Amino acid sequence: DTGVSQNPRHKITKRGQNVTFRCDPISEHNRLYWYRQTLGQGPEFLTYFQNEAQLEKSRLLSDRFSAERPKGSFSTLEIQRTEQGDSAMYLCASPAPGTGGYNEQFFGPGTRLTVL
Amino acid sequence: GNSVTQMEGPVTLSEEAFLTINCTYTATGYPSLFWYVQYPGEGLQLLLKATKADDKGSNKGFEATYRKETTSFHLEKGSVQVSDSAVYFCALIPSGNTGKLIFGQGTTLQVKP
Repeated sequence: DTGVSQNPRHKITKRGQNVTFRCDPISEHNRLYWYRQTLGQGPEFLTYFQNEAQLEKSRLLSDRFSAERPKGSFSTLEIQRTEQGDSAMYLCASPAPGTGGYNEQFFGPGTRLTVL
Repeated sequence: GNSVTQMEGPVTLSEEAFLTINCTYTATGYPSLFWYVQYPGEGLQLLLKATKADDKGSNKGFEATYRKETTSFHLEKGSVQVSDSAVYFCALIPSGNTGKLIFGQGTTLQVKP
């Protein structure tokens, strides 16, 4: 257990529906990262937060994706009008307590999204 | 841009064999380098890291040395076990302050008894 939790663990939805995932990072760290992993590939960076500020967004994050981190604690990732190409594992990561964002990160178990 | 390239798998070895998984990177400046492991049905776990040139990261019998001259961070283990069967990812965090990880495509290791 890395201390990073994600919910739900699995989500099956129909194309065109909206979905929202939640990440609860290691407490007392101001950074939180989202990645996406498709089958047979390494994770790809999507976005990251420092406290409640979203500091960088990947080009992978189309306008159908939105992420928030209210109050600098948990974060949500919403996908609107889902497409089959959105099917992937969505991972949240948090740096180890007492370290900077450029050091080791701990990953949550992920939310596996399947779009039918 | 920044990128990581790993040897393609799957790599199939017999128990107690020597393991090498090659990893090379492209990055400006001095990135930090990592190996993550994903066991079947489990999440990503940090295996080892090195943050500057010539550093050697080690954990659970695995080692990797940060070679700036060859831009490499090859993973090695002297004697693999069946329990080492997993997918191994090489990754880097570019110099700077974003902390975002850039991963290779992963290498599947299968160890047979």
